[in-house]
Amino acid sequence: DQQVKQNSPSLSVQEGRISILNCDYTNSMFDYFLWYKKYPAEGPTFLISISSIKDKNEDGRFTVFLNKSAKHLSLHIVPSQPGDSAVYFCAASATNFGNEKLTFGTGTRLTIIP
Amino acid sequence: DADVTQTPRNRITKTGKRIMLECSQTKGHDRMYWYRQDPGLGLRLIYYSFDVKDINKGEISDGYSVSRQAQAKFSLSLESAIPNQTALYFCATSDSQGLALYNEQFFGPGTRLTVL
Repeated sequence: DQQVKQNSPSLSVQEGRISILNCDYTNSMFDYFLWYKKYPAEGPTFLISISSIKDKNEDGRFTVFLNKSAKHLSLHIVPSQPGDSAVYFCAASATNFGNEKLTFGTGTRLTIIP
Repeated sequence: DADVTQTPRNRITKTGKRIMLECSQTKGHDRMYWYRQDPGLGLRLIYYSFDVKDINKGEISDGYSVSRQAQAKFSLSLESAIPNQTALYFCATSDSQGLALYNEQFFGPGTRLTVL
C-alpha cells in the first residue's frame, strides 16, 4: 500500500527549461511534505518543504505547490541546471496526529540535458 | 567532516551470516532512523529511535534488530542475512528540540549490502 506515489520513474528536461516533478498521496492525515534530492553514492539531502496550511513555498529556483483537495504536490525547478540531475523523493508526515515519521515516495530520476 | 557517518560503506556477505551496520552522528540530534532503499520502492523505514530509551519498529522491521548505544550511535543488525536483504541502507537523524525545519532528516552516505 503505497501512500506516497511518484508515478514518473524518470524525467528528462533541457537545460534552462522548467522541470516539474509530481507526487500524489492517499493518506488525508498527512499535513507536512518534504522534497529530498539524492546524488549517486550519497545520502538524500533536504531540498524544500511545505505545510498543509500553505499552497506554495518558494526557495530560489525551487517551488513546491500543494493541492490538498487533489492530494497532489509538485516541485518546480526553474531554470533547470545540469547539477539538478539527481533522484528526487517526496515525503510526507502526519504531524498533527502525532505521527512524525516520514513516508517516502519511490523517487523520480531527473536528467538535465545540456 | 560528515555529520552522519555509516560503516561499512560496502559489504558483501553470505546467507545466514550476522551483519551489523553502524551509524554515528555529531549533530547532537535526539532522533535516529534506519531506512532501506530498493529500486522502484523508494526509502522504507526499518526502525526508529526518538531517544536512547525509545526504540520503535518501522514498516519493514522483520529480520532486523537495532541498538541505540548512545545518543550519537544507532546500529542495525541482520541476525541471519538473506538475499532479499540486499539493498542500500541509510541512517538518518532529526532534531526534535532545535532550530532545524520541522521533520527535516539528515542522512548518512549509505551502506551498500549484498547478501549472496
